[in-house]
Amino acid sequence: GENVEQHPSTLSVQEGDSAVIKCTYSDSASNYFPWYKQELGKRPQLIIDIRSNVGEKKDQRIAVTLNKTAKHFSLHITETQPEDSAVYFCAAPRPDFNKFYFGSGTKLNVKP
Amino acid sequence: ETGVTQTPRHLVMGMTNKKSLKCEQHLGHNAMYWYKQSAKKPLELMFVYNFKEQTENNSVPSRFSPECPNSSHLFLHLHTLQPEDSALYLCASSLRTDPNYGYTFGSGTRLTVV
Repeated sequence: GENVEQHPSTLSVQEGDSAVIKCTYSDSASNYFPWYKQELGKRPQLIIDIRSNVGEKKDQRIAVTLNKTAKHFSLHITETQPEDSAVYFCAAPRPDFNKFYFGSGTKLNVKP
Repeated sequence: ETGVTQTPRHLVMGMTNKKSLKCEQHLGHNAMYWYKQSAKKPLELMFVYNFKEQTENNSVPSRFSPECPNSSHLFLHLHTLQPEDSALYLCASSLRTDPNYGYTFGSGTRLTVV
């Protein structure tokens, strides 16, 4: 089955609203969770990450929260702007396999 | 530029052609990866190199052949591809292969097999 599940697959918000994207993972030993943003025709870029020793990390308008008990982590974007429109990917490691598994992506559309 | 450079950006090839994709990084990273990105599918890991040694071949067909001459360069040699191989091929690098470090991705090669 899926190692990382990401929801929703598409998300449309009005400029200024908040957006939340959620990922769940399966391996309780996972301890590092990055988020990538991929604008149309461009490469994925790491925008924020969190390690398992903290529950939340913020960087200006973006934040990531981690619930290790429930094995899910979320990306929060506040005061969304049109330039936030992109596909966002989460990733979770499988330490036993020494690799990352990526979510299937969320296409975020911020309407002006 | 990103630190990870991929060439070419676009490639159209016939099913009988042989071509190569190139990836180069000068970030001092020791791990390099090839990923396949198809529409509406998660990123698919193809190959992993750690200190220029291949450590992972994720059941990739032999028509894809990787080469890593040193820690800074990675190639993907292509031959007798199928139309379903059309996709964006992304190279990435990280400090190490253990999954505690984020990736730096290249801009990708958009491959179309005709």
